[in-house]
Amino acid sequence: GAVVSQHPSWVICKSGTSVKIECRSLDFQATTMFWYRQFPKQSLMLMATSNEGSKATYEQGVEKDKFLINHASLTLSTLTVTSAHPEDSSFYICSARVGVSNYGYTFGSGTRLTVV
Amino acid sequence: EDQVTQSPEALRLQEGESSSLNCSYTVSGLRGLFWYRQDPGKGPEFLFTLYSAGEEKEKERLKATLTKKESFLHITAPKPEDSATYLCAVRKAGTALIFGKGTTLSVSS
Repeated sequence: GAVVSQHPSWVICKSGTSVKIECRSLDFQATTMFWYRQFPKQSLMLMATSNEGSKATYEQGVEKDKFLINHASLTLSTLTVTSAHPEDSSFYICSARVGVSNYGYTFGSGTRLTVV
Repeated sequence: EDQVTQSPEALRLQEGESSSLNCSYTVSGLRGLFWYRQDPGKGPEFLFTLYSAGEEKEKERLKATLTKKESFLHITAPKPEDSATYLCAVRKAGTALIFGKGTTLSVSS
C-alpha cells in the first residue's frame, strides 16, 4: 500500500519551454505533498510543500514563479517548471506523508529532467 | 542549524563482509529518524523509522539503531543486491524530512 505514482520518469525539453510533472497517490489521500530536487551525488533538497486546496509553501531560494505547484485534489499534485533552462536539469521527486503509520513518507519514482 | 551528516560517503564491501553506516544529526525537537534505500534513477524506498534513543529495528540483513546524537545502519553478511545509496533523514515537528547526502554501498561477489 501507500504508493505514489510519478510521471513522466524522464523528459527532455528545449530551453524556454515548460514541463509538467505529476504525482498521484494511488491508494490513499495525500493532504500534504512535498517536492524535492536532487543533483548528482547530492542530498534531496526540499523545494516546496503543497497542501490540498491551498497555496504551496516554498523553501528559501526556490522561485515560486518558476516552479508552479498545484495540489487541486487529495490524490494529485503537479509541479510545472516554467521557462526551463539547462540549470534546471535535475532529478525531481515528490513525496507524501502516509497518515501516522510507520511508512512515514512515501516517495514517487522520480523524474529526470534534461533541458537542452 | 539543523544538520544531518552521513559517513562514509562511499563504502565497498565483499559479499558477507558486515559493516555499519553512520548518520549523525543535530536537530532540536526530533520527531523521527528515517532510513531509506535509493537505487540509481529511482525514488527513495522506505526502510525504517526510529523515534527514541535505544530503539532498534531489523529487516532481513539490516538493523537500525538510534542514540541521542546518531543512528547506525548495520548490514550483516551483505549481498550484491544490497548495493544502493542509503539515505538518512530526520523530521522535526511540522516540517518535511531533512536528508543527509547518503552513503553509496557497493557489495561485490
